[in-house]
Amino acid sequence: SAVISQKPSRDICQRGTSLTIQCQVDSQVTMMFWYRQQPGQSLTLIATANQGSEATYESGFVIDKFPISRPNLTFSTLTVSNMSPEDSSIYLCSVEGGAGGGTGELFFGEGSRLTVL
Amino acid sequence: RKEVEQDPGPFNVPEGATVAFNCTYSNSASQSFFWYRQDCRKEPKLLMSVYSSGNEDGRFTAQLNRASQYISLLIRDSKLSDSATYLCVVNTGNQFYFGTGTSLTVIP
Repeated sequence: SAVISQKPSRDICQRGTSLTIQCQVDSQVTMMFWYRQQPGQSLTLIATANQGSEATYESGFVIDKFPISRPNLTFSTLTVSNMSPEDSSIYLCSVEGGAGGGTGELFFGEGSRLTVL
Repeated sequence: RKEVEQDPGPFNVPEGATVAFNCTYSNSASQSFFWYRQDCRKEPKLLMSVYSSGNEDGRFTAQLNRASQYISLLIRDSKLSDSATYLCVVNTGNQFYFGTGTSLTVIP
């Protein structure tokens, strides 16, 4: 299993501002995933953070709105830029499997609950 | 068509009851299947993987039917602590697809 630490756990922000969420994993992993879970909804993949290359974004998500950093194999950040109330959501960092990945299971951080006023 | 579809419920059952959730997936090439549990305001956590032969873990039984492209989760002897949202997750081409979740409340 992987232990994932996310921060902040929650925040309340003003519209138009930006927030950076950090994700730290206790083992080296090739890919880290960023999900969004809006109230009452299931998880939607925002992007896959790859170490040493650009993140891969899913349809409907763009780098200007959700820039991602992946400086090493244990850490990633997701920034929610120019926030609006529609960005209020839980943002979850996730990795696959244990060290090196590949068991097919996803492990999640505790999530960052964002409220935009 | 959604990759993964689940009945959102809610399911409200008395303690001790048996309850079953189903989930269908659209891509016949899907490779791995899972049930996750998500408690209110918490992150999803793996409940069990679903294998072709079916598998059981205590009160929980998971089944996979590739021909009909559905997976199921059976919970026997429901406990109050089983109250949660159960997410069906399918891995297709190294991408994970989540169902919308089925809400279960076990009533005393």
